[in-house]
Amino acid sequence: SQKIEQNSEALNIQEGKTATLTCNYTNYSPAYLQWYRQDPGRGPVFLLLIRENEKEKRKERLKVTFDTTLKQSLFHITASQPADSATYLCALNPMDSNYQLIWGAGTKLIIKP
Amino acid sequence: SAVISQKPSRDICQRGTSLTIQCQVDSQVTMMFWYRQQPGQSLTLIATANQGSEATYESGFVIDKFPISRPNLTFSTLTVSNMSPEDSSIYLCSVDGDRGTEAFFGQGTRLTVV
Repeated sequence: SQKIEQNSEALNIQEGKTATLTCNYTNYSPAYLQWYRQDPGRGPVFLLLIRENEKEKRKERLKVTFDTTLKQSLFHITASQPADSATYLCALNPMDSNYQLIWGAGTKLIIKP
Repeated sequence: SAVISQKPSRDICQRGTSLTIQCQVDSQVTMMFWYRQQPGQSLTLIATANQGSEATYESGFVIDKFPISRPNLTFSTLTVSNMSPEDSSIYLCSVDGDRGTEAFFGQGTRLTVV
């Protein structure tokens, strides 16, 4: 079956360290993979998009990698801050779908001061 | 980017009643999407709403339970009808960005059915 998996357990990271979140997928051929941040009581907010022919994308302290062989994307936050605490969702656009996003359940990140 | 206003932000409703959620976008968009997000689970697409035509529903969702209106290019409503406690969830409206890839969301409606 087709699915996207993110670690359901909360990730606790010490402030200043790098946080790494994982998104694994099976039985999809993504055209794009995206990462979103969701705070409690809010809708998801777009962070980064990486295409299937890109290996890495950066934006300020954020970095996303995309390995289509491993069927995995890694999301890194360097120099993490307590304000980075949130739930992070990955989503992919399958190549056979022109608009629909398929979502992971998200990983809760807690940055401890 | 798009700014989306969604209301109500939360509500507690009696079973058997209906709730209509409104979504207003600050620009004209072709498609608007309605999602449900249950605790600890991924976003599930309910339906896609196009202006001037009936909404397209995903498997497991039907128009009688989730009627949708799309009267113009900036507004849509989702009604959750004949509610039961199983309908307790967060409901989100969404639109695509200019590049047709990233999604923009309203702040969500947290619905509790008692």
